[in-house]
Amino acid sequence: ILNVEQSPQSLHVQEGDSTNFTCSFPSSNFYALHWYRWETAKSPEALFVMTLNGDEKKKGRISATLNTKEGYSYLYIKGSQPEDSATYLCAFHPYSGGYQKVTFGTGTKLQVIP
Amino acid sequence: DGGITQSPKYLFRKEGQNVTLSCEQNLNHDAMYWYRQDPGQGLRLIYYSQIVNDFQKGDIAEGYSVSREKKESFPLTVTSAQKNPTAFYLCASTGTGLNTEAFFGQGTRLTVV
Repeated sequence: ILNVEQSPQSLHVQEGDSTNFTCSFPSSNFYALHWYRWETAKSPEALFVMTLNGDEKKKGRISATLNTKEGYSYLYIKGSQPEDSATYLCAFHPYSGGYQKVTFGTGTKLQVIP
Repeated sequence: DGGITQSPKYLFRKEGQNVTLSCEQNLNHDAMYWYRQDPGQGLRLIYYSQIVNDFQKGDIAEGYSVSREKKESFPLTVTSAQKNPTAFYLCASTGTGLNTEAFFGQGTRLTVV
C-alpha cells in the first residue's frame, strides 16, 4: 500500500487570505498526480492532472505545482473565498497499471470564514 | 448532461442483510470503480471493472460483490459477510487513456443498525 499524505488535515482561513497545502507521495515509479475538489453533498471534481516534474497548472485562483523528484505537490488558493470551502484530495498514480492503481490521500478540509 | 448517479443517498441495513448500491453513468466510460471512505482515511478501492462482463477485486473486496452486465451500470452488493459495512461509498468512472481523471457520483452513506 502506497503512502500518500496530505497536510494539514484541516484549516480555517479568513476570506481574502491566500493558502496552500501539501500532498506527499512516493518519489519512485511516478506517473501522474491528480487533484480533486470535494464540496459537501456533491461529487468530487477533478481540478488538475499533473504528469511532469516542475509542472504548474492554474484554474482561476487555484494553482498547483509538482515536484516528482522529492515527491510532493502544492495546491495554492489565492484570495480565498467562501465558495472555496471544500475538501481537496490528491491521488497518486504510479507508472504500472491503469487508474485502479491510484492511491488517494486523506484530504485537506478547507473552511473559508467570511 | 453526462454524469454518474448513485442511489440511494442514505441507506440503513439490519445486520445480516445484503444490500445493493446502484451506480449508473451516461458518460460512455469503459471503466468503473467502487470506493469506500471511513473517517480519517482516504478512498479505498473495493472493486473495479474495465469492460462489460469483467471486474477485478480492489484492495478491500472481502464481503462485497459486483456485476457489470451493462456498460452504464456497476452495482455493488454489500453482503452479510462484510464485518464493518457502515461507511460512505463512492462510485467513479474513467474514460480511456492513462492520464484520465475520474468522475464521481455523490455517494451513498450506508449505516448498519
